[in-house]
Amino acid sequence: ETGVTQTPRHLVMGMTNKKSLKCEQHLGHNAMYWYKQSAKKPLELMFVYNFKEQTENNSVPSRFSPECPNSSHLFLHLHTLQPEDSALYLCASSGRGALTDTQYFGPGTRLTVL
Amino acid sequence: LAKTTQPISMDSYEGQEVNITCSHNNIATNDYITWYQQFPSQGPRFIIQGYKTKVTNEVASLFIPADRKSSTLSLPRVSLSDTAVYYCLVGPMDSSYKLIFGSGTRLLVRP
Repeated sequence: ETGVTQTPRHLVMGMTNKKSLKCEQHLGHNAMYWYKQSAKKPLELMFVYNFKEQTENNSVPSRFSPECPNSSHLFLHLHTLQPEDSALYLCASSGRGALTDTQYFGPGTRLTVL
Repeated sequence: LAKTTQPISMDSYEGQEVNITCSHNNIATNDYITWYQQFPSQGPRFIIQGYKTKVTNEVASLFIPADRKSSTLSLPRVSLSDTAVYYCLVGPMDSSYKLIFGSGTRLLVRP
């Protein structure tokens, strides 16, 4: 599915670095999501934005800071991460913020924190 | 959201039909059942969604009994490329929700 793109695809960062993940959707959707998938763990929903407003923050540590400037773009700002934050970070979008709306996922960013 | 239970893993062979069952005993009246497929290092992909009875698309069929306490994803004639993790999700169609992916079922299709 090429409708949702994520950059970078791979990222290696130190614990003192600041970096940002970018997600862009070209599907005209109004809801966007950040998920975290650690090795051998289920997908964890992190944040949900509906019409640019954050509607879910699933008890995510403050070292992860989302930003949604418009319905097509979603960022995840990272600072002072821990090695256990290494994971695949997935962005998704859907028409609205409802379960019955199909979510379209991006390819993910593989993050490694040293 | 209704909690779901799926087998951790399943094995099959090419050309066989695979049925993956998901239990959701406390499903609510307004809950829908959705299945996603995920290949390694990729995001999940929507497969099928239903509310009751049977739903079929070009990829799979979804069977939901009258009590809706379980559902079965049926993949006809699987191929090696169907090796993936399959997730069952149950939840309402509210505009505000929390989507919870469980551990899923890891399907391995052998030659």
